[in-house]
Amino acid sequence: NAGVTQTPKFRILKIGQSMTLQCTQDMNHNYMYWYRQDPGMGLKLIYYSVGAGITDKGEVPNGYNVSRSTTEDFPLRLELAAPSQTSVYFCASKRGQDSYEQYFGPGTRLTVT
Amino acid sequence: DAKTTQPPSMDCAEGRAANLPCNHSTISGNEYVYWYRQIHSQGPQYIIHGLKNNETNEMASLIITEDRKSSTLILPHATLRDTAVYYCIVRLRLGAGGTSYGKLTFGQGTILTVHP
Repeated sequence: NAGVTQTPKFRILKIGQSMTLQCTQDMNHNYMYWYRQDPGMGLKLIYYSVGAGITDKGEVPNGYNVSRSTTEDFPLRLELAAPSQTSVYFCASKRGQDSYEQYFGPGTRLTVT
Repeated sequence: DAKTTQPPSMDCAEGRAANLPCNHSTISGNEYVYWYRQIHSQGPQYIIHGLKNNETNEMASLIITEDRKSSTLILPHATLRDTAVYYCIVRLRLGAGGTSYGKLTFGQGTILTVHP
């Protein structure tokens, strides 16, 4: 298993541009999450999904959108990039409600200038 | 979810035990203690979790005080590869209700530096 994979690894955006961060897991996990981590800080939850077709907001959803059309994929969309969205973005997954361990991807480092 | 307090940094000599404390004085009976770590530039990695009994796995041991207000993560023989930020997280026991959906609330953690 590749686990949780994220693309791209790095990206520089100009203010106002849009992009999609990709996240894929091959473990057939139902729950998936998007977190952001600002320098020197812990992770904050942006959005999560408990299964295909079901998504909900986390702590910091403003400026982002998600979709979950398949079990494997959970893309994060930035519509109008702002400097405040400069961060490292981590995708995570876990098998289901009865699972304790979340598996994290390697992260995408995004800079908005 | 209950708030946790950890020291910002700790040092440990290679081969010695690393004992990382965490205070969670407002923990409720429905909440577990989780530990994750994050090696530089990587995603967080699950280490261990517990409710009230001490737990051990291949990576670490977790000691929870009888009143559950604090815990200690023990890496029995620290190596240089254990240098990382260690996060203590408290969250609801599965099936205990609420709408956390497995959300992990990360604080700033403890930077553990293992030196030769």
